[in-house]
Parts: sequence; C-alpha cells; structure tokens
Amino acid sequence: QSVLTQPPSASGTPGQRVTISCSGSSSNIGSNTVSWYQQLPGTAPKLLFYNNNKRPSGVPDRFSGSKSGTSASLAISGLQSEDEADYYCAAWDDSLNGVVFGGGTKLTV
Amino acid sequence: QITLKESGPTLVKHTQTLTLTCTVSGLSLSTSGVGVGWIRQAPGKALEWLALIYWNDDRRYSPSLKSRLAITKGTSENQVVLRMTNMDPADTATYYCARCITATGRKEFDYWGQGTLVTVSS
Repeated sequence: QSVLTQPPSASGTPGQRVTISCSGSSSNIGSNTVSWYQQLPGTAPKLLFYNNNKRPSGVPDRFSGSKSGTSASLAISGLQSEDEADYYCAAWDDSLNGVVFGGGTKLTV
Repeated sequence: QITLKESGPTLVKHTQTLTLTCTVSGLSLSTSGVGVGWIRQAPGKALEWLALIYWNDDRRYSPSLKSRLAITKGTSENQVVLRMTNMDPADTATYYCARCITATGRKEFDYWGQGTLVTVSS
C-alpha cells in the first residue's frame, strides 16, 4: 500500500485531456513539493515535473502539474499515443523522513 | 552530460548481501544541494524509494528497510554504493540510482540510471 494514492489506471483517446490525481497527507504533499515521473514501457522513469508544476526542459507544455492542499494532479491535454506510460507522483514525507511514491497510474491511449 | 549507471550482480542467493554501485559522470557528489538516491521496482510493481545520500554525507533510509540498508560514497569520487543485507526473493527488482536535487521541502530525481535487474534465488 503506497503512502500516496493514485488511480491504478486512466485512459483517453488521441486529442483528449486526461487528469491523474495523487492524494497524500499533511506530512507529505501538504508540506512539501510534488514531483511527477513518466515511465515508458521497459525504460527508466523520467522526471516530468518538479516543485509541483515546473517542467524540465524538453517536456511538452501539453503536460501541466498542480497542487492544492494535500493533493496534486497531472494533466495531459492533446493526448498522443506516445503518452501511453506509467505515471508516478512523489514527495518527501516529514513523518517517515523519506521519499514516498504513489502506486502509479497506467495511462492507456 | 550527466549520466548514472548501476552495476552489480544480477543474481544473488537468499540471505546473501547485495552490493550495488552507481557510477556517475558529469556531476559532482560534493555539490551543495545534490544527492544520489536508490529506488527499486519489483516486476509489475510501483517505484519504491530505498535510500539517499546527500552531498554532505548525510543519509536517509526507507523506514521499512533501514535495518538492512547502507548507502555510502565509494572509494572513487564518482561512485555511490548501496548494500542490502539478508536478501529475499521478495527483493527481486530492478534497482535504479538517480541524482536527487534537494532543498527544504523539495526532493526530485532528475537524472536516472538505466536500472539493473537483480534476481534473488531461493
């Protein structure tokens, strides 16, 4: 059971907008920043967002991140087939004194 | 160009100790605000954070695995070593090392190694 809660799956058709949620608590998302990772099949995770909503260079602006209270969201607009991947949220947890990941969301396009 | 690469045994036996090395290039392990973490992923499962070592040698461990883990900087300036004792078949996973950018309230892994699959035999 992951500390951060994500829906196990999400789906959409090309061109659609899809949102993936990440729910935590006051000791993690509520007091620290959230990062998001994209893991394409058979590859290592890739940083998609840091500091809640900052995109590293090279990440398309079709992707957006947000945080409110103890939850965070990843939104993908103009869905493309190459967006099909697993997506993970993560944050520092002050109570556990460590990094916690969500259980991951498998996005099907 | 920043790269990280994991190395170590692909197969270990139940109860043995696993030693993995992360060799980094293009970054200094002594740069303020930089750390290296280990994250693993069992087949078909989610990412699980294991350990983190900061530029100042401060270390953090997953509470559930703390008694079995040790993270250190290697004898070479560009290496980080993870040791995990008493390996069990449940520890079979792909083990990743990643650079961690750290600040108050903020941790993210911005560069990842390709990962190394470790299988634990019973």
